[in-house]
Amino acid sequence: EAQVTQNPRYLITVTGKKLTVTCSQNMNHEYMSWYRQDPGLGLRQIYYSMNVEVTDKGDVPEGYKVSRKEKRNFPLILESPSPNQTSLYFCASSFSGDTWNEQFFGPGTRLTVL
Amino acid sequence: SQQGEEDPQALSIQEGENATMNCSYKTSINNLQWYRQNSGRGLVHLILIRSNEREKHSGRLRVTLDTSKKSSSLLITASRAADTASYFCATEGGSYIPTFGRGTSLIVHP
Repeated sequence: EAQVTQNPRYLITVTGKKLTVTCSQNMNHEYMSWYRQDPGLGLRQIYYSMNVEVTDKGDVPEGYKVSRKEKRNFPLILESPSPNQTSLYFCASSFSGDTWNEQFFGPGTRLTVL
Repeated sequence: SQQGEEDPQALSIQEGENATMNCSYKTSINNLQWYRQNSGRGLVHLILIRSNEREKHSGRLRVTLDTSKKSSSLLITASRAADTASYFCATEGGSYIPTFGRGTSLIVHP
């Protein structure tokens, strides 16, 4: 089954404790991205990757890191989480092309930073 | 980045009625996409309409795009209780950084 998976689905942590949220897709997509969703603000893109070893900042990259060592995986790293990073996070993937294409979203990771 | 804004913020209708949601944006786009999100879940792609297209259909969904007015509409015909969800438009203008609106919350009463 074609899908995007994220782990963990729920995470409660404390300020400053490094964490990683994993994202994996099995559709051989080149493009992958991370979003956060906050009430009243819609989805905002954090980082995106056009292909292996190619990553770029989205609208709200501060406090986050990503890596793209393999085509299928695109982990989101919070080196020193803070309470303002409490949010619902989504990973998404798509084929690349001359335009931004239909995105396939993961189920989401609800992160709480105390 | 561009801004897609949906209108209305919330819509409550009876099963069988049509639901219309609008999206406005500020600058030129390559394409506009509509997504559905059931409460707390991932977004599901509904329709992609390119800047040179004016209308697209998919089942009970009809999307129009007016680039001169920088607006799009999503029409769901003969709505069902299962259509209850939030609907988002997303615009992108070549940067590969899309902008999602805040969404329209649709409730369809059985």
